[in-house]
Amino acid sequence: EAGVTQFPSHSVIEKGQTVTLRCDPISGHDNLYWYRRVMGKEIKFLLHFVKESKQDESGMPNNRFLAERTGGTYSTLKVQPAELEDSGVYFCASSQEQGRFYNEQFFGPGTRLTVL
Amino acid sequence: GNSVTQMEGPVTLSEEAFLTINCTYTATGYPSLFWYVQYPGEGLQLLLKATKADDKGSNKGFEATYRKETTSFHLEKGSVQVSDSAVYFCALSDWNAGKSTFGDGTTLTVKP
Repeated sequence: EAGVTQFPSHSVIEKGQTVTLRCDPISGHDNLYWYRRVMGKEIKFLLHFVKESKQDESGMPNNRFLAERTGGTYSTLKVQPAELEDSGVYFCASSQEQGRFYNEQFFGPGTRLTVL
Repeated sequence: GNSVTQMEGPVTLSEEAFLTINCTYTATGYPSLFWYVQYPGEGLQLLLKATKADDKGSNKGFEATYRKETTSFHLEKGSVQVSDSAVYFCALSDWNAGKSTFGDGTTLTVKP
């Protein structure tokens, strides 16, 4: 079974440009999460999709970030316009329907974004 | 809100040394606790987990026990290897909320 995949693995852009990150979750996983690790700090939650709906977007830093999940399959995270502080590693994770006891998330390899 | 505090790094050990990485948490309810590992150039991998108090998670020689009374989930390994060099993240997940809360990560370097 294929794991969570993310594209691209690395992206280097200039301040003010637009970048779109993509995440393909494990097939059949309803839950999809975006996280970000900035400057070696903790991995911070950005948002959570259940199928195509945004369940929780409390971690989105500002309106320069737009996440979509077309048809409840893959997801994209667009940053427009990018700022220097957006540099970091963006992780995507997916999980099956939330269980009663715990929610094991499977993570992708991450996209390293550098804004110059 | 939920929070996770990890022992500050980096940590450098010699091969076969004993490893402890401290992790304490603050959470409402009864979270599940996790340790993730990120090897150089790779993504996050689940190392071990514990879903209720007094559970012990174990994998690849690593262990951690869910201690509700001290709100801790310390990671231990009796004899580390060079191949254990990686970044280790403690995390919790509230099943009701879904999202995970992570610590800052601890970078471990094991020297031969």
